[in-house]
Amino acid sequence: EVQLVESGGDSVQAGDSLRLTCAASGLAFSRNVMAWVRQAPGRGLEWVACISGTGDTTYYADSVKGRFTISREMSTNTLYLQMNSLRDEDSAVYYCAKEDPRVTYSACNTVFDAWGKGTLVAVSS
Amino acid sequence: DIVLTQSPDSLTVSLGERATINCKSSQSLLYRSNNKNYLGWYQQKPGQPPKLLIYWASTRDSGVPDRFSGSGSGTDFTLTISSLQAEDVAVYYCQQYWRSPLTFGGGTRVDI
Repeated sequence: EVQLVESGGDSVQAGDSLRLTCAASGLAFSRNVMAWVRQAPGRGLEWVACISGTGDTTYYADSVKGRFTISREMSTNTLYLQMNSLRDEDSAVYYCAKEDPRVTYSACNTVFDAWGKGTLVAVSS
Repeated sequence: DIVLTQSPDSLTVSLGERATINCKSSQSLLYRSNNKNYLGWYQQKPGQPPKLLIYWASTRDSGVPDRFSGSGSGTDFTLTISSLQAEDVAVYYCQQYWRSPLTFGGGTRVDI
């Protein structure tokens, strides 16, 4: 059974940095595209970033490009999201999500068949 | 970016009755070479992460009850719950994976 467990969420000030972690188990981590999706309180879902199975290729939403960095560590089956220059509008629950390999056809174009429970990031100015 | 517009924002349905949720895309999600529509549906219950229900617009994920069905093609899609159960109270989202960035609809809340 796939398990994704996020951690690292916190209450921070605007301009601060934070690193989120997602510990993955029960999957062939090095073969799966992984992503971060966020949800502001009471709002809908927003895709943030994704990374290829090898870690060679990354993609970002325009709203976070240049401020956030997604990465993965194969030896520990861990996904990261480094968030710099945080803004009020980055406040959200951040979910780690795994691609559905039956569907992925290119890059990060996929649906997500496993999700973590999320970690809350609160940014205040 | 592809914009997905869901309607209605919320609906109240009696137990055992049908619920219908619409998702309209700003661009066609149909790839004619394989005749597949690059659209998925998720269910999110309060305090939980989203759960994948349907992909390719109409293929149910494993373990999803057959009262959930997806239909549509091109720019107009529908998620139908044929006989609403108490455990179906949730917010439902559509998501397109035809073009980056991946985008989601705004969600439809289903209550009893």
